[in-house]
Amino acid sequence: AQTVTQSQPEMSVQEAETVTLSCTYDTSESDYYLFWYKQPPSRQMILVIRQEAYKQQNATENRFSVNFQKAAKSFSLKISDSQLGDAAMYFCAYRSARGGGSNYKLTFGKGTLLTVNP
Amino acid sequence: SAVISQKPSRDICQRGTSLTIQCQVDSQVTMMFWYRQQPGQSLTLIATANQGSEATYESGFVIDKFPISRPNLTFSTLTVSNMSPEDSSIYLCSADSGYTFGSGTRLTVV
Repeated sequence: AQTVTQSQPEMSVQEAETVTLSCTYDTSESDYYLFWYKQPPSRQMILVIRQEAYKQQNATENRFSVNFQKAAKSFSLKISDSQLGDAAMYFCAYRSARGGGSNYKLTFGKGTLLTVNP
Repeated sequence: SAVISQKPSRDICQRGTSLTIQCQVDSQVTMMFWYRQQPGQSLTLIATANQGSEATYESGFVIDKFPISRPNLTFSTLTVSNMSPEDSSIYLCSADSGYTFGSGTRLTVV
């Protein structure tokens, strides 16, 4: 079974600075997806960024980018020019790319609570 | 990606009662997923719902407690039955590709 580990329960960053959230995972599969989600107090799960394992190029979405190290099974999220609205719980998640059906379920890490200081 | 409408957004229920949560997708999807997020915790999959067949439940979750319906390719419901305070959680649905979510239901059982 796949596992996802987020070793930082809490992180803080100054507004306009850069912060990196860590995520490692364990899998025997070669084809999969990795995700970062943001969950503000409103409880909605907002997809921040997605990475396909077969792609060597790291995904980027505006101020958000990932450092995907497949061999090391590491998937960190970098937030540049942090804004007050970035404050939230961030979850790393894994999903298989094969098999369909219940194989498409997401496996989540325990989350990192990000605080942005003005 | 699909847009998922989930309701109710929140509810406060008496112990021993049941609550049905609905998710409506704006396009036809094969699979829908139901997750539970207990206070301060991560998300845990309850079950996978495929249209036309019984839902597949994860270890620790049973159909009598969390019955799921999937009457068509755009709709699903999750019922939390015979509720106790331990069922107080956020419940979320997702669909097909599995990586977009409804807005969640915050359930408090008193």
